[in-house]
Amino acid sequence: RKEVEQDPGPFNVPEGATVAFNCTYSNSASQSFFWYRQDCRKEPKLLMSVYSSGNEDGRFTAQLNRASQYISLLIRDSKLSDSATYLCVVNLRSGSARQLTFGSGTQLTVLP
Amino acid sequence: NAGVTQTPKFRILKIGQSMTLQCTQDMNHNYMYWYRQDPGMGLKLIYYSVGAGITDKGEVPNGYNVSRSTTEDFPLRLELAAPSQTSVYFCASNNQPQHFGDGTRLSIL
Repeated sequence: RKEVEQDPGPFNVPEGATVAFNCTYSNSASQSFFWYRQDCRKEPKLLMSVYSSGNEDGRFTAQLNRASQYISLLIRDSKLSDSATYLCVVNLRSGSARQLTFGSGTQLTVLP
Repeated sequence: NAGVTQTPKFRILKIGQSMTLQCTQDMNHNYMYWYRQDPGMGLKLIYYSVGAGITDKGEVPNGYNVSRSTTEDFPLRLELAAPSQTSVYFCASNNQPQHFGDGTRLSIL
């Protein structure tokens, strides 16, 4: 079983749509959680952290369910510029260093 | 605003050749990382460092070596290039969040 698993995608949605991505992680000791965005042939960039109480940043809402080991990202009112691959990322603290484990990503294309 | 700088951006190697991928950061971060990303896959950690003089293996270290003689620099060495090492390599620094370089696209033919 992969440590971090995501919806396989791709998701093709019209502008203005709401889209949700899901992610599960296998290590119950995982300590922190993130969504990164990666544009085609570019480096990953942090989109948002995910907190236990859920958090929102504009059109983006992230949720964490520790009991189910499940993370989600909701994008409302999709824009063309939201087209990218979204990476679910989990932090597994190992010794003195923190290591991020990346999911394979879910590709989103927002269509005009 | 240099951030994390990787060189080269592209490289083609022949099987058995060696090369060093350079990574430099100007943010005085202690933590630095090397990842590889194969097509359609997530990033896999090769090596990481928590400070000058300290390095440790990640998930996929075989075929690679690193050194960390200064806080700024974290080069990745391929000693005997193999086709399986064809990938995009990302260097990153800091912890949460990690700041990534632009990547090095490496092909082994």
